[in-house]
Amino acid sequence: SQKIEQNSEALNIQEGKTATLTCNYTNYSPAYLQWYRQDPGRGPVFLLLIRENEKEKRKERLKVTFDTTLKQSLFHITASQPADSATYLCALVNRDDKIIFGKGTRLHILP
Amino acid sequence: DGGITQSPKYLFRKEGQNVTLSCEQNLNHDAMYWYRQDPGQGLRLIYYSQIVNDFQKGDIAEGYSVSREKKESFPLTVTSAQKNPTAFYLCASSPDRGIGKLFFGSGTQLSVL
Repeated sequence: SQKIEQNSEALNIQEGKTATLTCNYTNYSPAYLQWYRQDPGRGPVFLLLIRENEKEKRKERLKVTFDTTLKQSLFHITASQPADSATYLCALVNRDDKIIFGKGTRLHILP
Repeated sequence: DGGITQSPKYLFRKEGQNVTLSCEQNLNHDAMYWYRQDPGQGLRLIYYSQIVNDFQKGDIAEGYSVSREKKESFPLTVTSAQKNPTAFYLCASSPDRGIGKLFFGSGTQLSVL
């Protein structure tokens, strides 16, 4: 069956450390993958997109990797800050243009 | 100030009642979407529209209806046939389906009285 899984429901990271979030998928062949940030009671906000032929993408303190062999994307926030605390959603964009969202990982950056 | 606007922020539905959630965008985007979000669940697609006067069912369209009479507007009606309507509803738009990022509104929380 098709699945998209994000690691653990919640992740606690000490301020200043690197937070790493995982997105694994099975039985999909995504053309690309997106990451969104969602704050409580708000809509998701787009952060980064990575295509299947790209290994890594960076934007300021954010880095995304995409391994189509492992069927996994990693999302890193370096030098994490309490303001980075939020839920982060992984979304696959399949070859039929369908977008499938993971359940999200709640990230808490501890001061 | 470009963006996508959902209203109301909170909505209550009585038994047997239809309610309509508003979604307006001034981004000049062709594609618009409605998602439902339940606690601990990923976003699930209800309906989407790629062009005016055309829309397609998503994964969970039963009990919902939409219209797309104008490019800027994509209202969602939650009908009485939707037996479990309590959820956070999100509207989104994109310049083109499948091209890139979704722009989301701030959501409507629907609860049943």
